[in-house]
Amino acid sequence: GENVEQHPSTLSVQEGDSAVIKCTYSDSASNYFPWYKQELGKRPQLIIDIRSNVGEKKDQRIAVTLNKTAKHFSLHITETQPEDSAVYFCAASGVGDDKIIFGKGTRLHILP
Amino acid sequence: DTGVSQDPRHKITKRGQNVTFRCDPISEHNRLYWYRQTLGQGPEFLTYFQNEAQLEKSRLLSDRFSAERPKGSFSTLEIQRTEQGDSAMYLCASSLPGSYGYTFGSGTRLTVV
Repeated sequence: GENVEQHPSTLSVQEGDSAVIKCTYSDSASNYFPWYKQELGKRPQLIIDIRSNVGEKKDQRIAVTLNKTAKHFSLHITETQPEDSAVYFCAASGVGDDKIIFGKGTRLHILP
Repeated sequence: DTGVSQDPRHKITKRGQNVTFRCDPISEHNRLYWYRQTLGQGPEFLTYFQNEAQLEKSRLLSDRFSAERPKGSFSTLEIQRTEQGDSAMYLCASSLPGSYGYTFGSGTRLTVV
C-alpha cells in the first residue's frame, strides 16, 4: 500500500520568511496530493491540493509542487505570518483508491 | 447542515468497557471515512463507506472494532473491550464521489483508563 514520508517533523522560521515542507510517496499510481493544516485542538482542514496532471499550483501565499518522476511533492508558504503556526500534513491517494494516506506531519513555528 | 458532526467530543472509559461514537456527514456526501489520530502522528485510515456499503477496512481495525452506516447517512464506530492503546482521537470525514477532498469532523477524543 501507499506510504507517505514527510520532513522535517518540526520547522521554525522567522515571521516573513518562507517555509518549505517536503514529502515522498511510494505508490507510483498515486494521483492526488492534498495538504491539510491542523491547529491545536482542531480538525484537519484542506488548504491546497494538486493532481498528477499538473506540476505546480498556487493559492495566494501557498504553493505546492509535484515531481512524479521522483515521487515527491512540497508545500511552500511565503511571507509567513503568526497564524501559519500549526501542524501540516501531506497526503496521497491513488487511482481507484478512495482513501487518503497521510504523512506524520510537520509542526511549523513562526517566530516573531 | 454546515459540516461533519461527531458525538461525543470526549469519552473517558474504563478498560474493558465498550464505547460507540457517532458521525453525521455533510448530507450530500455519500462517502464517509473513519481515521484514528494519536499525539504527534498523522491520521491513520481505519475504514470507509460509500453509501451504506463498507468498502475497505484497514488491518489496524481489529475484531474489537466495528463500523456501520445502516442507511447511508450517519455512521457509528464501536470499540469493544477497550484497551489503553485505543486512546486516541477518532476522526470522521466525508466527501463527494469524484471529489477527493475530505471534510473532517472535530473528532471524538477517547481516553481509556
